[in-house]
Amino acid sequence: DAKTTQPPSMDCAEGRAANLPCNHSTISGNEYVYWYRQIHSQGPQYIIHGLKNNETNEMASLIITEDRKSSTLILPHATLRDTAVYYCIAAIWGAQKLVFGQGTRLTINP
Amino acid sequence: KAGVTQTPRYLIKTRGQQVTLSCSPISGHRSVSWYQQTPGQGLQFLFEYFSETQRNKGNFPGRFSGRQFSNSRSEMNVSTLELGDSALYLCASSFLWQNEQFFGPGTRLTVL
Repeated sequence: DAKTTQPPSMDCAEGRAANLPCNHSTISGNEYVYWYRQIHSQGPQYIIHGLKNNETNEMASLIITEDRKSSTLILPHATLRDTAVYYCIAAIWGAQKLVFGQGTRLTINP
Repeated sequence: KAGVTQTPRYLIKTRGQQVTLSCSPISGHRSVSWYQQTPGQGLQFLFEYFSETQRNKGNFPGRFSGRQFSNSRSEMNVSTLELGDSALYLCASSFLWQNEQFFGPGTRLTVL
């Protein structure tokens, strides 16, 4: 599995867009980019995934660069409930073994 | 639809004892994965079961074992507990070849 690199922490004002970057320069052609988040003391929650096209769902948008070496998770209108640790993971389709890094601790400030 | 359930939620054991944790996946999910989360090592993959067979295994000693039953429920066992086994143990379930894993709330194990 490709290694991913994320900033350890970020802050964002409530109501603003939160943009979380992730580097995955060694990602292979069959690896997807997955994002999960973990709110304090809960199990991780799936957010979104993508291969090479930008993706959007009700929670977030995922922008993947053309060379696939990096991506950005966008929470369009961050709320206090979005305060969590966000994990970017590179894994093949349907992988049941997820390799979590240290993630980004996102704090949404009122 | 009920989510992934784990029992017990909290557990306190002493060194040398053994412990069994239980996980009930979402109805219809046949893949169950286990993870250990500690402040120092973060989230680490333990093993994954599908149709009662272990398909993937992480880098943990043999003291950590698991099994899956025909109804997809899974248990993990840790024998000869050590202080370093204190952690949050998370279970996740999914359909085979599905991208999304659904995590349970975890069992917090404290070893004294």
